[in-house]
Amino acid sequence: KAGVTQTPRYLIKTRGQQVTLSCSPISGHRSVSWYQQTPGQGLQFLFEYFSETQRNKGNFPGRFSGRQFSNSRSEMNVSTLELGDSALYLCASSFNRAYEQYFGPGTRLTVT
Amino acid sequence: QQQVKQSPQSLIVQKGGISIINCAYENTAFDYFPWYQQFPGKGPALLIAIRPDVSEKKEGRFTISFNKSAKQFSLHIMDSQPGDSATYFCAASETGANNLFFGTGTRLTVIP
Repeated sequence: KAGVTQTPRYLIKTRGQQVTLSCSPISGHRSVSWYQQTPGQGLQFLFEYFSETQRNKGNFPGRFSGRQFSNSRSEMNVSTLELGDSALYLCASSFNRAYEQYFGPGTRLTVT
Repeated sequence: QQQVKQSPQSLIVQKGGISIINCAYENTAFDYFPWYQQFPGKGPALLIAIRPDVSEKKEGRFTISFNKSAKQFSLHIMDSQPGDSATYFCAASETGANNLFFGTGTRLTVIP
């Protein structure tokens, strides 16, 4: 079974721009969660989608948003990029909301 | 406020030795405690997980010990190998919440 895939793997954007990241979960998994990883703050939960609905949200500003499609694929969007948004963005999928989460390789976002 | 505290920050172990990483939590609602292994440039990989109804879980060379009354859990890596050199994260969540709270990570180096 293929793992979680994320595209693109690397991205360079300029301050003020917006960006969309994509995540395809493991086949059959219906829950997708997003995390931000930085050297300073570590791994932090952004939000979780299940059956196309946001079920949980972390402590991030409204510039961070996401959605999930009927095939469970998910996208996250960051608007008005700031230098501090430079991070590795990780997507994790699980079969259901009470099961183990499996992470993708991440998208490395650099904001200049 | 760090929901899960992890120590040590870094660990150097000789090949064949035992690596021990400790984590502590405060939120008594947490009932799912996974450990993840991350290599540079990769996403975290689920190693092993435990729920509070057992005090120990073993999978191959990896063992989780869990102390519910002390709100602590630890990862033991037996017969440590150079290939185990990676960053290890403990995490915690409530079942069904799918938002993992991660420790700050432990960089393990196993010397041949």
